Amino acid sequence: NAGVTQTPKFQVLKTGQSMTLQCAQDMNHNSMYWYRQDPGMGLRLIYYSASEGTTDKGEVPNGYNVSRLNKREFSLRLESAAPSQTSVYFCASSEAILVQVDSPLHFGNGTRLTVT
Amino acid sequence: DQQVKQNSPSLSVQEGRISILNCDYTNSMFDYFLWYKKYPAEGPTFLISISSIKDKNEDGRFTVFLNKSAKHLSLHIVPSQPGDSAVYFCAARMLTYSGAGSYQLTFGKGTKLSVIP
Repeated sequence: NAGVTQTPKFQVLKTGQSMTLQCAQDMNHNSMYWYRQDPGMGLRLIYYSASEGTTDKGEVPNGYNVSRLNKREFSLRLESAAPSQTSVYFCASSEAILVQVDSPLHFGNGTRLTVT
Repeated sequence: DQQVKQNSPSLSVQEGRISILNCDYTNSMFDYFLWYKKYPAEGPTFLISISSIKDKNEDGRFTVFLNKSAKHLSLHIVPSQPGDSAVYFCAARMLTYSGAGSYQLTFGKGTKLSVIP
């Protein structure tokens, strides 16, 4: 039972390069999320997808794009990486699609990205 | 403006004693509070939650207390074990209405708990 799988685990980019972080979940969850974690900071929401076919901005969306490819997969793209995007990125999923459902997030193990 | 605050970056406790991790929040619209535990090089894992209509929730060694009037919650771990050493994040849920509806979590900065054998 893999849960939430993120690839790659580590990545080093040069300023201006682009890349896509991949995320897949096998729990048949409806909602998926991308967070970033910086030293001394909590997790901050970048983008989320409440259900297949929808995406919305979170707290810190600038410099990122997302694609909800299907119910399982939610990718995060950096079009032109900047040093400020050096961070650990976590993908998460939850069963919840309706606000009445109490459903904790299930996180992947993260992608550690360094932009030089 | 930080809406969820964990003012203690770190906490050290002797094995067998009680660990108390604190969290304060500012937004009255939060309706659910959750604690996540994170080991190095892993993603956070859900630990325990509490609805804003309750003041206590217990799960084994873990108890969360909520004081709505003070906008304060705490996580108690009794007895503490070395395997509890991790970073603990407090998170608060707010309902959002976007398309089909969903919720967003706001996380605190975390408290690193060290349980000393």
